[in-house]
Amino acid sequence: ETGVTQSPTHLIKTRGQQVTLRCSSQSGHNTVSWYQQALGQGPQFIFQYYREEENGRGNFPPRFSGLQFPNYSSELNVNALELDDSALYLCASSRTGALDTQYFGPGTRLTVL
Amino acid sequence: GQQLNQSPQSMFIQEGEDVSMNCTSSSIFNTWLWYKQDPGEGPVLLIALYKAGELTSNGRLTAQFGITRKDSFLNISASIPSDVGIYFCAGQTGANNLFFGTGTRLTVIP
Repeated sequence: ETGVTQSPTHLIKTRGQQVTLRCSSQSGHNTVSWYQQALGQGPQFIFQYYREEENGRGNFPPRFSGLQFPNYSSELNVNALELDDSALYLCASSRTGALDTQYFGPGTRLTVL
Repeated sequence: GQQLNQSPQSMFIQEGEDVSMNCTSSSIFNTWLWYKQDPGEGPVLLIALYKAGELTSNGRLTAQFGITRKDSFLNISASIPSDVGIYFCAGQTGANNLFFGTGTRLTVIP
């Protein structure tokens, strides 16, 4: 158990809809990173939030957006869902933002029909 | 983004055997990380490497940061059934950019 929790566990949406995924970071961690893991692939970095500000972004379109709250929990929002957005979405928290000391949550499995 | 290729893609080994897997890239990385992912869970960090040529062990696991900084290797000695899972390498360039490999799926036959 890493102390990082994500909700919901599974989600089914249809193309064009919007979705919000949630992540609670481990106690004492102020940085959250989000990753997309397609079936059979490694995770891909979406973006990172540090002290409520976006602190780096991977190669994802603007319809992927996020928030971080004062308690350091975070949300990932995806608008205008596409079939290719079907994936496991992982969040990871760390104390300093250093990616080599981050802990991953179990992920949210999103299916877009 | 950077492409990290892992080989082999999958392995079937007998319990007690040693395992070797590697990760190569066309790009140079400052840090190499090795993770294990079990079904229904997020990746768990096994070993972190910070310097070219560095060799680091964690129990039965040993990993090396390649001299060219474009590759890394992970060895598991005397495999046991709980070693089953998917192993990912990941390379870090800037402060918050982590690129994962394609994964090696390990099956251990008791």
